[in-house]
Amino acid sequence: EPEVTQTPSHQVTQMGQEVILRCVPISNHLYFYWYRQILGQKVEFLVSFYNNEISEKSEIFDDQFSVERPDGSNFTLKIRSTKLEDSAMYFCASSESLGETQYFGPGTRLLVL
Amino acid sequence: AQSVTQLGSHVSVSEGALVLLRCNYSSSVPPYLFWYVQYPNQGLQLLLKYTTGATLVKGINGFEAEFKKSETSFHLTKPSAHMIDAAEYFCAVKKTSGSRLTFGEGTQLTVNP
Repeated sequence: EPEVTQTPSHQVTQMGQEVILRCVPISNHLYFYWYRQILGQKVEFLVSFYNNEISEKSEIFDDQFSVERPDGSNFTLKIRSTKLEDSAMYFCASSESLGETQYFGPGTRLLVL
Repeated sequence: AQSVTQLGSHVSVSEGALVLLRCNYSSSVPPYLFWYVQYPNQGLQLLLKYTTGATLVKGINGFEAEFKKSETSFHLTKPSAHMIDAAEYFCAVKKTSGSRLTFGEGTQLTVNP
């Protein structure tokens, strides 16, 4: 069964460093998403992406964040200058269309020291 | 703005007992409703969803949920718990026209032998 994959599974970085989290969505899906879950808190929406542009973003998704689909398979989340409070589990998801089920990847656990 | 409240961050049941996980939502328009499950060290897996039509929705692994508009609820049930049901369960809502899922805090289900 097709699934969303994410790499790396764990990432440790120093405050102020840039990180890129990678996702491979399900191949025939057109909508892509990033969510995060800070330890002990809710899963929070960050951004959705369709047709090579952001279709919706939350107030969390400020200028330090960016998303890109650099090729036909990958979908990336870049955090330019990481802060301690960026430590969280980051989930990628994809869906065939706007109203369809969002399928989630296993997540990348980011730890900022 | 939408919000989701899950009553009970931890629920403990005996094997074979009824599982009832509560979810209430707040939305200005009739939303789509979802239950996701997260097993340890894994991503979020869709259990079931309500979009339109029949208000009693059946999902995977014997779970079902009923959309009650008058009560703004979407409680998750399973007649008989199994040990493998131990996991964290998340209720989520989405506007029919939007892309973001808004999640509840999650309920950790423990199943005792």
